[in-house]
Amino acid sequence: DVVLTQSPLSLPVTPGEPASISCKSSQSLLHSNGNDYLDWYLQKPGQPPQLLIYSGSNRASGVPDRFSGSGSGTDFTLKITRVEAEDVGVYYCMQARQTPITFGQGTRLEIK
Amino acid sequence: QVQLVQSGAEVKKPGSSVKVSCRASGDTSSTHAINWVRQTPGGGLEWMGRIIPVLGFPTHAQKFQGRLSITADKSTGTAYLELSNLRSEDTAIYYCSRANVDYYDYAFDIWGQGTRVTVSS
Repeated sequence: DVVLTQSPLSLPVTPGEPASISCKSSQSLLHSNGNDYLDWYLQKPGQPPQLLIYSGSNRASGVPDRFSGSGSGTDFTLKITRVEAEDVGVYYCMQARQTPITFGQGTRLEIK
Repeated sequence: QVQLVQSGAEVKKPGSSVKVSCRASGDTSSTHAINWVRQTPGGGLEWMGRIIPVLGFPTHAQKFQGRLSITADKSTGTAYLELSNLRSEDTAIYYCSRANVDYYDYAFDIWGQGTRVTVSS
């Protein structure tokens, strides 16, 4: 199975400051079609996960442009340019390059 | 606006079975796959399997082989997850989610509200 390792696991951030989360994969997530099969999700308290970024770097519909994704192959990063109070929750990366689909352990973002 | 509506919470005894439904309102004829993901009390997310309701052909995670059945009713666009021989470790919130074929990597763009399953004697 593909193992996704996120860091850090806990991320305290001052509002207005940037934040960055890493996701490293045990295998390449680059498909022969040229797309990386790596997504980012945010799970706010009491809610199901919501899609932020797909294929490594594409913002999903309605996602603020302060969120961006980068990386390819085995190393990926989610960045938030200026954290807001509503960004609190747990961030997960997920790979769909092969089954079983797997998730990272999650990174809990909290406001300082 | 497509929504995934799941059945209500369940409390089950060890060794019994549970069946959870996921109805796609407003989208009964698409070829998007419905995936099942569970979240344990510790918080981790675990993919269990998927099915394309209009086509059938489920895929199950190896870990659940023999205990898991994923089916669908193509006439209503409803997907079902049935897990048998329940144990305490199956206590979790079970989510269905849509893998959108319009995204390059079939990302999960819509999620159900979740169904809490508690296994306790």
